[in-house]
Amino acid sequence: DVKVTQSSRYLVKRTGEKVFLECVQDMDHENMFWYRQDPGLGLRLIYFSYDVKMKEKGDIPEGYSVSREKKERFSLILESASTNQTSMYLCASRVQGGNTEAFFGQGTRLTVV
Amino acid sequence: AQKVTQAQTEISVVEKEDVTLDCVYETRDTTYYLFWYKQPPSGELVFLIRRNSFDEQNEISGRYSWNFQKSTSSFNFTITASQVVDSAVYFCALRGNTPLVFGKGTRLSVIA
Repeated sequence: DVKVTQSSRYLVKRTGEKVFLECVQDMDHENMFWYRQDPGLGLRLIYFSYDVKMKEKGDIPEGYSVSREKKERFSLILESASTNQTSMYLCASRVQGGNTEAFFGQGTRLTVV
Repeated sequence: AQKVTQAQTEISVVEKEDVTLDCVYETRDTTYYLFWYKQPPSGELVFLIRRNSFDEQNEISGRYSWNFQKSTSSFNFTITASQVVDSAVYFCALRGNTPLVFGKGTRLSVIA
């Protein structure tokens, strides 16, 4: 089975802190994604990566950056956390190619106080 | 631009009732893929089904069935004889030449 693992299930950080959310997948998938989920807004794409060292902005990249130094790991970075970044963050991965589904991690619920 | 609309925000049904979750999409791509995901209270999104734009065959899997109609740009999901374990948030999603775009989700509550 494909496994997408996010490093933390729950996280509480202070405003202004630099926050790292880690995601690891074990199925050699080329593509990886970070979404945030908010009530009434569904899932919105923050950043994605089609391969190692590559990154593309999604729909809401402001306030975030990412790192993909290894194929299996995709990190989301909040440079200076703010309260409006309190949310559920979901990582996903999939094989390159159109007719494939994405597999999701269990999510990280981040609270910024 | 790609867009997915799930007009039903919340649905509540009594166990054993049938329920249909609506999904309408917009895309200019000629080749695209549609998906349904389930998000139970535990939070992880679980893949349910994938359909490509060239395959309009409806599909049935146990109590689940999906109706894909390109003419109305809809990809609706029906649960027959609903059960309490079906309670979850259900997302419809679309992928064309861009990453997955999700609808806002429909929260289904099945009451015993």
